[in-house]
Amino acid sequence: GDSVTQMEGPVTLSEEAFLTINCTYTATGYPSLFWYVQYPGEGLQLLLKATKADDKGSNKGFEATYRKETTSFHLEKGSVQVSDSAVYFCALSSAGGTSYGKLTFGQGTILTVHP
Amino acid sequence: KAGVTQTPRYLIKTRGQQVTLSCSPISGHRSVSWYQQTPGQGLQFLFEYFSETQRNKGNFPGRFSGRQFSNSRSEMNVSTLELGDSALYLCASSVLEAGGYEQYFGPGTRLTVT
Repeated sequence: GDSVTQMEGPVTLSEEAFLTINCTYTATGYPSLFWYVQYPGEGLQLLLKATKADDKGSNKGFEATYRKETTSFHLEKGSVQVSDSAVYFCALSSAGGTSYGKLTFGQGTILTVHP
Repeated sequence: KAGVTQTPRYLIKTRGQQVTLSCSPISGHRSVSWYQQTPGQGLQFLFEYFSETQRNKGNFPGRFSGRQFSNSRSEMNVSTLELGDSALYLCASSVLEAGGYEQYFGPGTRLTVT
């Protein structure tokens, strides 16, 4: 079945540092890929998405590129801020059938940014 | 547009009781999915409803059930609560976007079973 693996966390960075959170996936066919962010006490917010190979999703300075050859969707940001501190989830959605309405999530990566 | 709303936000129940959680999707969204979030198991898919029909179900016991109404609002029910059911229950709604199944999440209901 489908699965998503995220890099081991937590990740602690200083403000303005470069961020990479690795994400690899296993899925049949051509899934859509997502990054969600969760702030304390809140639900998940969609950060960015990519729906086909070589697509680059971007939002709020975050970027991720859909790499089918390496089955990866790594999240990057050039300069993090304290306000980026949150839990980040990589997720995939396969097409139709038994995958209706189902997102498969990675285990989440806790990011803490210090001033 | 208003976002996904979930009620109640917090709930404390005793083992053996049952509980009903409610979710109102974004206007125009006909698909509603439910997830359980725990520190140990992470985010796990419970089930999905579309036009009042359950289309997909995750690997949870029959104590977990749901339904969807004609206005797309959804409820999930957990009967005979166990301590392990303590979790954040998240509801998400979506409209099938071209090429992807983008979901929008509510704030969740925090269930504590004592």
